[in-house]
Amino acid sequence: DGGITQSPKYLFRKEGQNVTLSCEQNLNHDAMYWYRQDPGQGLRLIYYSQIVNDFQKGDIAEGYSVSREKKESFPLTVTSAQKNPTAFYLCASSLALDTQYFGPGTRLTVL
Amino acid sequence: GQQVMQIPQYQHVQEGEDFTTYCNSSTTLSNIQWYKQRPGGHPVFLIQLVKSGEVKKQKRLTFQFGEAKKNSSLHITATQTTDVGTYFCAGCLIKAAGNKLTFGGGTRVLVKP
Repeated sequence: DGGITQSPKYLFRKEGQNVTLSCEQNLNHDAMYWYRQDPGQGLRLIYYSQIVNDFQKGDIAEGYSVSREKKESFPLTVTSAQKNPTAFYLCASSLALDTQYFGPGTRLTVL
Repeated sequence: GQQVMQIPQYQHVQEGEDFTTYCNSSTTLSNIQWYKQRPGGHPVFLIQLVKSGEVKKQKRLTFQFGEAKKNSSLHITATQTTDVGTYFCAGCLIKAAGNKLTFGGGTRVLVKP
């Protein structure tokens, strides 16, 4: 069953802790993306990667880091430097110049 | 940087009525995509428009790409309760960096039965 998965669905962390969100896809897509969505708002691009071992900052990269060691995986770390980390995080993947397929998302709450 | 604006931000529609949501880009786009996000869910791709003036239909949904490729619209006829959700447009520029989309803020649609 092909698709894009994110885990966990809900995540709670204490302020000041780093946390890593998982994103895996078996669609053989080259590109992967991380977005942040705040309540009632649109999607803002955090980081994206077009190929393995390469990634670029999006519009709101500060306080986040990523890695792309494998084509299937694009984990996002929310660091303690991110001032307002509580949000809904969406991962997506696509073939070059094609539509994006989104995972189910992770709702992060920092207490 | 590129900006994509959507209006209205909220749309309250009586079941059975029609409505239109609009998307405007500050720059010319190579293509525009539309996504729907149900409450509590994730965005799901609806359609992609590429050609200037292109019109595509999906049952009760009609999508249009402007002649200048800077704006787009989504028109829904005979709205049903299943149309509830947020509709996002996303503009794409052909850049060396690849398929980076810029999403609009979305139109949140509520349907009154």
